[in-house]
Amino acid sequence: QQQVKQSPQSLIVQKGGISIINCAYENTAFDYFPWYQQFPGKGPALLIAIRPDVSEKKEGRFTISFNKSAKQFSLHIMDSQPGDSATYFCAASRGRGFGNEKLTFGTGTRLTIIP
Amino acid sequence: DVKVTQSSRYLVKRTGEKVFLECVQDMDHENMFWYRQDPGLGLRLIYFSYDVKMKEKGDIPEGYSVSREKKERFSLILESASTNQTSMYLCASSVQTGFAYEQYFGPGTRLTVT
Repeated sequence: QQQVKQSPQSLIVQKGGISIINCAYENTAFDYFPWYQQFPGKGPALLIAIRPDVSEKKEGRFTISFNKSAKQFSLHIMDSQPGDSATYFCAASRGRGFGNEKLTFGTGTRLTIIP
Repeated sequence: DVKVTQSSRYLVKRTGEKVFLECVQDMDHENMFWYRQDPGLGLRLIYFSYDVKMKEKGDIPEGYSVSREKKERFSLILESASTNQTSMYLCASSVQTGFAYEQYFGPGTRLTVT
């Protein structure tokens, strides 16, 4: 049972454009929603994360939008650059506390930024 | 900086061999994880350890076992490697932050079973 659904599987965006990756979850107990960025030959690294008490979080060119009622969240990359070309994973967990250590990952989006 | 290292970047083994993948973290994290990454399937949790000698099955534990004798080291064992275990294997460790656990990943081991 896939608890976090991610789309699209791949995405090609022109340099300077906006990249948008979407995720939907089923488990209403999820309380923490991070995005990970993975470059070829590297392990994933935390990019940005949000909790459901806010609808948006912005860090530089990266923004997470969160819709609690729809159980959806998305990553927006403004002014996309070739250096943003990577695989992006959304994830979810139940937050703090013993028993909540595990993350459930989406299937990943391979983003390519073309000049 | 947190550092998670994996013993091999690339590994080629034969069907039926016993395979050991080693992972070491240097930040005294309680939790450690083994995932496999396959195209279109994302990251799937194989095993999780929340303390020395403690382990918990993840979503796809069949054909794998783990060992955690020391806090910094978490080993994944393929008892009898099969071709369907050809994959990228990622190790991670995690620490509790303000409101969640943040996971740190190693660079991965690409295992090919022939």
